[in-house]
Amino acid sequence: SQQGEEDPQALSIQEGENATMNCSYKTSINNLQWYRQNSGRGLVHLILIRSNEREKHSGRLRVTLDTSKKSSSLLITASRAADTASYFCASNFGNEKLTFGTGTRLTIIP
Amino acid sequence: ETGVTQTPRHLVMGMTNKKSLKCEQHLGHNAMYWYKQSAKKPLELMFVYSLEERVENNSVPSRFSPECPNSSHLFLHLHTLQPEDSALYLCASSPPGHPYEQYFGPGTRLTVT
Repeated sequence: SQQGEEDPQALSIQEGENATMNCSYKTSINNLQWYRQNSGRGLVHLILIRSNEREKHSGRLRVTLDTSKKSSSLLITASRAADTASYFCASNFGNEKLTFGTGTRLTIIP
Repeated sequence: ETGVTQTPRHLVMGMTNKKSLKCEQHLGHNAMYWYKQSAKKPLELMFVYSLEERVENNSVPSRFSPECPNSSHLFLHLHTLQPEDSALYLCASSPPGHPYEQYFGPGTRLTVT
């Protein structure tokens, strides 16, 4: 199984601070993605990073990928109350199905 | 909005009821998926349809019956469910050639009493 595991399981920070979440996986991947899920709603795609990329940016999001350590991190800078949500990583190899982790629950304290 | 819609958003049903969940996408995608999300568990892939044909069924109990009449619509028919089937059911779709780029609907919160 290449199930992703997010770390930490839960994170609470003050608004304006940066939030960092980590994801580890077990086998080779072609792509790794991060999704956001607001409480009881669907997943929203945030960013995709390919196995030959090391870092990617999108607005306040920064994703890194270290294939030697089989890990990825998601950094949210200058956090806002609206960033409160669960964040999931999902990986795939070839055309195999996406494998999701259990998520990090992020709470931004106003 | 991701372009994937699901109805109903909330459903409460008894164990002897029959109900259906509906998913619709108009993104031009050719693959659709049903996932189950239970508390503190990773998303579980239930069914995959590609070009309206079922290509994967991850050993889901027969009380869940999918239907994909065309590439834009996906149903999940439910009958004689158990309380442990209570969960958030998510539909997703993906474009041709990119099965890993999945767009999710808002989900149906199902409670089985």
